[in-house]
Amino acid sequence: AQTVTQSQPEMSVQEAETVTLSCTYDTSENNYYLFWYKQPPSRQMILVIRQEAYKQQNATENRFSVNFQKAAKSFSLKISDSQLGDTAMYFCAFKLHNAGNMLTFGGGTRLMVKP
Amino acid sequence: EAEVAQSPRYKITEKSQAVAFWCDPISGHATLYWYRQILGQGPELLVQFQDESVVDDSQLPKDRFSAERLKGVDSTLKIQPAELGDSAMYLCASSGREDPYNEQFFGPGTRLTVL
Repeated sequence: AQTVTQSQPEMSVQEAETVTLSCTYDTSENNYYLFWYKQPPSRQMILVIRQEAYKQQNATENRFSVNFQKAAKSFSLKISDSQLGDTAMYFCAFKLHNAGNMLTFGGGTRLMVKP
Repeated sequence: EAEVAQSPRYKITEKSQAVAFWCDPISGHATLYWYRQILGQGPELLVQFQDESVVDDSQLPKDRFSAERLKGVDSTLKIQPAELGDSAMYLCASSGREDPYNEQFFGPGTRLTVL
């Protein structure tokens, strides 16, 4: 079975600064996807960024980028130029390729962006 | 913009009572998921439907939980009888056949409190 661990229950960052959220996972499989989801207070969860395990290049979406270290089974999220609207719970998630569509989530990191 | 709809948004019930939650996925999405999210934790998959068929209900407590998607569109999740430990957010998500990543789109959730 796959497991996802987020070791930082809470983090805070000043507006306009950069913050990195950590995620590690455990799997014996080679083909999979990794995701970061954002869950704002009282709003639905949305996908922030995804990474295919077979791609060496780290994914980037505007201010969001990942540092994917496959050998270390690490998948961190970097948020640059943090904005107040980035305040949310962030969940790291794992999905095997071609094995149903089940997402395994980490426990989440609560991020507070301070003005 | 198409969204996953869920109702009710909040439900308070007493233990041993029956409760039901409803989900309407994004139009055309064949796959529907029900997740349970305990406060402070990541979501855990309860059941996954492909059209009207259950493809994974291994984590569904079948003695008290049931789920159906009779016409392959909207879905109902029922708990009978509810227990104190069932207090959680119940999230519904859907994904489409045409998306190679099977991105899951989440609804706002139903927050259940069992007294």
